[in-house]
Amino acid sequence: EPEVTQTPSHQVTQMGQEVILRCVPISNHLYFYWYRQILGQKVEFLVSFYNNEISEKSEIFDDQFSVERPDGSNFTLKIRSTKLEDSAMYFCASSKIQDSNQPQHFGDGTRLSIL
Amino acid sequence: LAKTTQPISMDSYEGQEVNITCSHNNIATNDYITWYQQFPSQGPRFIIQGYKTKVTNEVASLFIPADRKSSTLSLPRVSLSDTAVYYCLVYSSASKIIFGSGTRLSIRP
Repeated sequence: EPEVTQTPSHQVTQMGQEVILRCVPISNHLYFYWYRQILGQKVEFLVSFYNNEISEKSEIFDDQFSVERPDGSNFTLKIRSTKLEDSAMYFCASSKIQDSNQPQHFGDGTRLSIL
Repeated sequence: LAKTTQPISMDSYEGQEVNITCSHNNIATNDYITWYQQFPSQGPRFIIQGYKTKVTNEVASLFIPADRKSSTLSLPRVSLSDTAVYYCLVYSSASKIIFGSGTRLSIRP
């Protein structure tokens, strides 16, 4: 069964540094998402992306965050200047079409640790 | 987005059938009901989705009454590996999923 894959599985970065989290969505999916989950808390929506544009973003997704689909397979999340509170699991997801009967499929996440 | 209410936690034993009920009184006509499972340090995994009546797959069954104001996820003959958090989600657009706290299911030997 096709999977969403994310790299790296764990990223340790100094505060203030830039990080790029990478995702390879399922190949025939057209919609892409990023979520985060701070330890012990709920999964939170960050951003959705379709046709090379952001479709929707949450208030968490401020100017420090950006997303990009640099080629036909990768989908990246960049945090320009990391803060301690950015430490969390970051999940990428994809879906075939943006409709309720097409579930989103999640990767296993990147654990981001900011020191 | 319709709000869902589900138990915070449940306990059961290996080999038992587990039913987790979710209420969604404000479900809209276009909303589907979707359940995800999450293990520690892993991403949410899609389990099952339905609109009305009953849906069954190799993992679970989903029962939805005619008024669609609630749904029940049924896990047959659970094992220790079914210990996880289960999320009931109701939405009409996949642009944004709002996760609640889910139900923390603990299976004992």
